Amino acid sequence: AQSVAQPEDQVNVAEGNPLTVKCTYSVSGNPYLFWYVQYPNRGLQFLLKYITGDNLVKGSYGFEAEFNKSQTSFHLKKPSALVSDSALYFCAVRDGGNTPLVFGKGTRLSVIA
Amino acid sequence: EAGVTQFPSHSVIEKGQTVTLRCDPISGHDNLYWYRRVMGKEIKFLLHFVKESKQDESGMPNNRFLAERTGGTYSTLKVQPAELEDSGVYFCASSRTGSSRAFFGQGTRLTVV
Repeated sequence: AQSVAQPEDQVNVAEGNPLTVKCTYSVSGNPYLFWYVQYPNRGLQFLLKYITGDNLVKGSYGFEAEFNKSQTSFHLKKPSALVSDSALYFCAVRDGGNTPLVFGKGTRLSVIA
Repeated sequence: EAGVTQFPSHSVIEKGQTVTLRCDPISGHDNLYWYRRVMGKEIKFLLHFVKESKQDESGMPNNRFLAERTGGTYSTLKVQPAELEDSGVYFCASSRTGSSRAFFGQGTRLTVV
């Protein structure tokens, strides 16, 4: 069975500092990994995905994530945080194709000016 | 391109009543998914349509939940009768067959009192 763990409920970071939101996963086959963000009163917005290829993937709004197969991790990163990045971030995995996504419980990111 | 649209955005009903949620996927997307997030927990898969057929309904909590997608266009999710534990945010997502990326609606926040 697939699973995703986001070990931090809340991450606080000062504006301008680098941020990391952690995610580890478990899947039987090759993982398809995703990050989504939810701003207040909005739906889930796609940030980036890893399917195959380069382990470092770049996405929307300056975010990037690094796929680490040996550590089964897919941490989300940004070199310089903005206050507008404050939101709820979800990591998700699927084992291919159009199978349903399995989500982590989410991490709330607060960027303080 | 119009996004995934969900109606209503909020619904407050009494225990024992019936509620119907609607999802309009992106035109041309054969895959339609329903997910639910109970407060503070992970987003959980409910079911997956491919066109009008139920591909996977393993996540449906019980027989009080009924999903339909007549004609393979929009979908409805009916809860009858609603219970307190049904409260949460219900998300709909759609994707093209062969595409790994799913597009989400803004969600319907259901509160059962």
